[in-house]
Amino acid sequence: QKEVEQNSGPLSVPEGAIASLNCTYSDRGSQSFFWYRQYSGKSPELIMFIYSNGDKEDGRFTAQLNKASQYVSLLIRDSQPSDSATYLCAVWWVDSGGSNYKLTFGKGTLLTVNP
Amino acid sequence: GAGVSQSPRYKVAKRGQDVALRCDPISGHVSLFWYQQALGQGPEFLTYFQNEAQLDKSGLPSDRFFAERPEGSVSTLKIQRTQQEDSAVYLCASGQGAIYYGYTFGSGTRLTVV
Repeated sequence: QKEVEQNSGPLSVPEGAIASLNCTYSDRGSQSFFWYRQYSGKSPELIMFIYSNGDKEDGRFTAQLNKASQYVSLLIRDSQPSDSATYLCAVWWVDSGGSNYKLTFGKGTLLTVNP
Repeated sequence: GAGVSQSPRYKVAKRGQDVALRCDPISGHVSLFWYQQALGQGPEFLTYFQNEAQLDKSGLPSDRFFAERPEGSVSTLKIQRTQQEDSAVYLCASGQGAIYYGYTFGSGTRLTVV
């Protein structure tokens, strides 16, 4: 059973601080890792994806991947109240037949940025 | 269209009733997925289409759930004899084909079975 684990939170940070969201996964055979943002009552929105070890930056967001330790994180710099949402980590595994197309999601971490 | 469109936005069904949920993916997107999201949980995979072919239906929870995409565009998820445990948000997502880049979700259909 392939699993994706996230701390459900809530994670509360003050405006302007760095928010750090973490995700671990159960199987080393994973290929791509995704962070989605989901506002309450809305659908998930893709923020970033990463597939190589190291950091990937996009504006205020940085995704970090460490395949040896099987974790992926998302850093949000200069956090804003509008960043308050649930952040979902998702993993894509390649199966032996190359026929897996689905993403496996964690339960999400609720982030609250306080003005 | 510009995004993934789902209808209805909300559906209340009496237990035992059949429901049909519609998804209109982004034009030209080959891949189409259905996910189920219970309150406070992450989306759970239900089924996947590549054009009109249903390549993976391993996530469908029972034989009461059925999905189709007959012409490779619009898809319908049908739930027969709805039960209370079917209450959830049903999300449709579409993609250009390469999972590498993720995919785009629709706004979802919130199903409440009473």
